[in-house]
Amino acid sequence: QKEVEQNSGPLSVPEGAIASLNCTYSDRGSQSFFWYRQYSGKSPELIMSIYSNGDKEDGRFTAQLNKASQYVSLLIRDSQPSDSATYLCAVNLSSNTGKLIFGQGTTLQVKP
Amino acid sequence: ETGVTQTPRHLVMGMTNKKSLKCEQHLGHNAMYWYKQSAKKPLELMFVYSLEERVENNSVPSRFSPECPNSSHLFLHLHTLQPEDSALYLCASSPSSGGTGELFFGEGSRLTVL
Repeated sequence: QKEVEQNSGPLSVPEGAIASLNCTYSDRGSQSFFWYRQYSGKSPELIMSIYSNGDKEDGRFTAQLNKASQYVSLLIRDSQPSDSATYLCAVNLSSNTGKLIFGQGTTLQVKP
Repeated sequence: ETGVTQTPRHLVMGMTNKKSLKCEQHLGHNAMYWYKQSAKKPLELMFVYSLEERVENNSVPSRFSPECPNSSHLFLHLHTLQPEDSALYLCASSPSSGGTGELFFGEGSRLTVL
């Protein structure tokens, strides 16, 4: 079983719609969860972090965490073409050594 | 200057060559990382340095040799590589290695091994 799993996509949504990106992880003791965005030909950049069960909102982005189900998601409201990118889910293992495990990423396409 | 800079951006080398990738961070961070990104695969952690001491070596073949002379600079020395080592090599830094999860990445060095 992969440590962090994401559907590679592509996920295609129309402009203005809500994009929902999902991620599951295998280590039940994981404490810290992150979403990175990577534009084509660029390096990843951190866009959201979440540590507690529930929702965390930042502008058009909402991260959701359910530790019981070992599930973390990212919602993007009012999706824009500029949101088209690969979104990487990353999990900090329970040993908290700073070792981030990344999923393979979901490619999002927002069509005008 | 950008936070994390990597050179060269592109590198083509034969299997018998020796080359080095360089990373420099201007953020005052204490931890630096090398990641490998191959097509269709997740980012793979290779090495972690905290305060110039290697704290993680993720079962990387010995043909990859890291060096961290100070907290601002990180090198990845390459020798006798294989074609399957062709990938994007990303350097990153963070304030500490203690698990904040906030990594600042450089733009990467695209390596092609012929």
